[in-house]
Amino acid sequence: QVQLQESGPGLVKPSETLSLTCTVSGYPLTSGYYWVWIRQSPGKGLEWIATIYHTGTTYYHPSLKSRVTISVDTSKNQFSLKLSSVSAADTAVYYCASLRSYYGSRFDFWGQGTLVTVSS
Amino acid sequence: QSALTQPASVSGSPGQSITISCTGTSSDVGGFDYVSWYQQHPGRAPKLIIYDVRNRPSGVSNRFSGSKSGNTASLIISGLQAEDEAEYHCTSFTTGGTLVFGPGTSVTVL
Repeated sequence: QVQLQESGPGLVKPSETLSLTCTVSGYPLTSGYYWVWIRQSPGKGLEWIATIYHTGTTYYHPSLKSRVTISVDTSKNQFSLKLSSVSAADTAVYYCASLRSYYGSRFDFWGQGTLVTVSS
Repeated sequence: QSALTQPASVSGSPGQSITISCTGTSSDVGGFDYVSWYQQHPGRAPKLIIYDVRNRPSGVSNRFSGSKSGNTASLIISGLQAEDEAEYHCTSFTTGGTLVFGPGTSVTVL
C-alpha cells in the first residue's frame, strides 16, 4: 500500500517561499506513477498545482507556473514543492498524491494534507 | 484554464438516487474519457470513487456510478445512505497535460 506524508512549515510570511516535502513509502517513486501537489483553500474546492515524473518531467498549473517548482529526490523517495512570493491567497491545505498515468486524473493515494497559513 | 462547473449542493432522502453533474468544455471533459470523482468527508483527504468516467476502484461501493455525455460528466449515487453525506469533487485531464477540478458539491442526506 502506498503511503504519502507531507511535511513543512505550517506558517509562512507574505512574499516568502513556501516549501513542502512529500515522503512516499511502500512504493518506489521510480515505479511508474506520476506525483502531484494539490491544494484546497479554506471552504473552497481542490486545485491541482503541479505534476512530476521520476525522470524530472514536470507540468504546472498555468496560473501558478511562474511561482511554482516541483522536484523529485529518488534517493530519499521524496518529492517537493516550492511556491514563491506567497500571499494570503496561498493559505490552504496542501496535499501530495499519486497520479496513475499522464493521461488521466486518477489520484489513487493521498497524503493526509498539511495546512499552510500565510501570515505575518 | 477554467474550473469545471458543479452544483453547490444536492440533497436526497435515504434510499433515493441523486445525480451530480460536472460540466466542462471540449478541451477537458468532452475531449477525454479521463474524468474522476472524489469523495471528501470533513477534515479528511479526498478518496477516489470513480476514474476514467465510469470505473470504480476496488473496494468502492457499486452504489456509485459515473457517466458522460458531451461536455458533462455525472456521478450517480443510488440507495443514498447517511455515510454518503460528504463533498464530491470532479476532475478532468485537459489539453496540454494539465488537470482541472470542479468547485465541489455538498451532498446532504435528509
